[in-house]
Amino acid sequence: DIVMTQSPDSLAVSLGERATINCKSSQSVLHRSNNQNYLAWYQQKPGQPPELLISWASTRESGVPDRFSGSGSGTNFTLTLSSLQAEDVAVYYCQQYYIAPTFGQGTRLEIK
Amino acid sequence: EVQLVESGGGLIQPGGSLRLSCAVSGFTFNNHWMHWVRQAPGKGLVWVSRIDSGGGSTSYADSVKGRFTISRDNAKNRLYLQMTSLRAEDTAIYYCARDSGPGGAYYFDQWGQGTLVTVSS
Repeated sequence: DIVMTQSPDSLAVSLGERATINCKSSQSVLHRSNNQNYLAWYQQKPGQPPELLISWASTRESGVPDRFSGSGSGTNFTLTLSSLQAEDVAVYYCQQYYIAPTFGQGTRLEIK
Repeated sequence: EVQLVESGGGLIQPGGSLRLSCAVSGFTFNNHWMHWVRQAPGKGLVWVSRIDSGGGSTSYADSVKGRFTISRDNAKNRLYLQMTSLRAEDTAIYYCARDSGPGGAYYFDQWGQGTLVTVSS
């Protein structure tokens, strides 16, 4: 299994400030055949199912605000919220799909 | 509008069996691989199982292999998870989730609201 480790476990950021969540995989999720990173990010608000934000490490899903961005390659990835809004309070998960899917433990994002 | 609606959860004793169902609408069901993902109370997400678009190929997490069976009825637009020999550690919200790619990409672009399975005596 590929182990996904997120940091930090929780994060408090002021409204309008930047939030950065890191995700590290125990082995590379970059597929050399197509040069794609098999990495997705999800947002889960309380009492709701997860929602896909980003796939292929940096491709934002339709309808996702452009303040969300994904970056990284190989084993190190980052989800960045450029300007925190109140509705962004949630738990964020990374997930690899290079092999049988595994998720990070989640990062809880709160308002400072 | 895409909708995935799970049902069949509940309280079950250890060793018991339960069948979950997921009714889908708003997209061409037989074009997509489908998955079950679970989340223990207050914990993270864990992939459980997947089935290809035709129903002929399946795979499972090691933790449920031999105990759970995924299936689908494309005529009824329904996905199923038959769970047997249930254990306390199977207690979780079970989500059905749509695979994003037509040929199986293993990331999930649509999720149901989930159904809670509680295994306890």
